[in-house]
Amino acid sequence: GQNIDQPTEMTATEGAIVQINCTYQTSGFNGLFWYQQHAGEAPTFLSYNVLDGLEEKGRFSSFLSRSKGYSYLLLKELQMKDSASYLCAVRNTGGFKTIFGAGTRLFVKA
Amino acid sequence: DTAVSQTPKYLVTQMGNDKSIKCEQNLGHDTMYWYKQDSKKFLKIMFSYNNKELIINETVPNRFSPKSPDKAHLNLHINSLELGDSAVYFCASSQDVGGPRGTQYFGPGTRLTVL
Repeated sequence: GQNIDQPTEMTATEGAIVQINCTYQTSGFNGLFWYQQHAGEAPTFLSYNVLDGLEEKGRFSSFLSRSKGYSYLLLKELQMKDSASYLCAVRNTGGFKTIFGAGTRLFVKA
Repeated sequence: DTAVSQTPKYLVTQMGNDKSIKCEQNLGHDTMYWYKQDSKKFLKIMFSYNNKELIINETVPNRFSPKSPDKAHLNLHINSLELGDSAVYFCASSQDVGGPRGTQYFGPGTRLTVL
């Protein structure tokens, strides 16, 4: 079957670092994406990993281990505006279908 | 300058009605998608078109019919609406289907409420 697991909710403090984990089991693998979704808005693209290792983009970094079926999104220097849901998504072989996790709701407190 | 646009943003209708949601992208992308996001926030793929050809057709009731008149447009028509169709429907597009060019960009969503 195909499954993506993420924690449902996380809380962190402004200025801190938070790591959101994602584990997946899919029929084939052709890339992993992280999206941010604020309440009532559309998902917006954050990062893409297809090879093992860390991709860094400003305050956000994403890590992938294909052998472990594992990824994480690291958010540094948290800001209040980072309060949102973070969706992990995996594209299957052939590239046509992307499976989304249920998302992790991150609450950033002062 | 909107990249992916959808109309309407909100749609409230009675059970049994037929409705359409329109989607347009001005990014020059070849691939477009329709997703349904239910109350539990799962984003589920419904359909995908690549160069106007249907490439993904998930297990969706045949009351739902996509139409792609050209690469920039993918509309969704829903017949005989049911209570369970209430959700937010997102349109998305990507340059291609694979690699980083497969990154999807989402429209603002259409919140459908069936009474």
